[in-house]
Amino acid sequence: DVVMTQSPLSLPVTLGQPASISCRSSQSLVHRDGNTYLNWFQLRPGQSPRRLIYEISNRDSGVPDRFSGSGSGTDFTLKISRVEAEDVGVYYCMQGTHWPPYTFGQGTKLEIK
Amino acid sequence: QVQLVQSGAEVKKPGASVKVSCKASGYAFTDYDVNWVRQAAGQGLEWMGWMNPNTGEKGYAQKFQGRVTLTSDTSINTAYMELSSLRFEDTGMYYCVIIWFGIWGQGTLVTVSS
Repeated sequence: DVVMTQSPLSLPVTLGQPASISCRSSQSLVHRDGNTYLNWFQLRPGQSPRRLIYEISNRDSGVPDRFSGSGSGTDFTLKISRVEAEDVGVYYCMQGTHWPPYTFGQGTKLEIK
Repeated sequence: QVQLVQSGAEVKKPGASVKVSCKASGYAFTDYDVNWVRQAAGQGLEWMGWMNPNTGEKGYAQKFQGRVTLTSDTSINTAYMELSSLRFEDTGMYYCVIIWFGIWGQGTLVTVSS
C-alpha cells in the first residue's frame, strides 16, 4: 500500500498569513495513463469532508483561489495564500493512483494563532 | 447537482451489526463506484472499500475484510455498508464517497456502547 505522510501535523497560522502543507507518498503517484491522482480534502468541524484540489493542482468548483496545489511524483504541497477564519479544520491528502486501497495522509490540523 | 444522502445516527452494542444507507441523486448511479470511508473517534480518514453498482464488483480494505459488506439497490439508487461484530473502536463517522466527483455524503455517526 502507498503510505502518505503529511507535515506538519499541527499548523497554527495568523489570520491573513500564508500556510503550506506538505504531503509525500512512498512511491510515485504518476499513473500509467499519465495523470497523477493526488487530492486534497478539507474537513471542517461539524461538516463532511470537501474536496479542494484534484490531480495535484485543479481546484474544485467553488473553492476560493487562495487555495492552490502543486508538486509531482512523490512530493506535493497545498498552499493557502492568506488564511481566513473559515479555513480552520483538518486537511488531508489522498492518493487515487495505486488503488485499492485509496490511502490518506494523517491529516494536518490548521488553527488560528 | 450530485448529492449523497446517508441514513441517520445509530447506537449499537458490541458484537452487533450496523447497516448504513447512501442514496444518490443528480447523476447516473450505475456509472461510478461508491466508496466508503470512516473517521473513527479521534482518528484520521480511513478507506473501507468500494463497489461498482453496475457490475456488483467490490473490494474491501484488508483491515475490514470479513466484517464489512457493501451492497447496492440500483432500483432506488442506494448503496449500503454493513459492518458486523462491532467493537467500541468502531465508533465514528462513516461516509459514502464518489471519489471521481469528490462528493461525500453528510456522514452517519455510529456509536458502539454497552
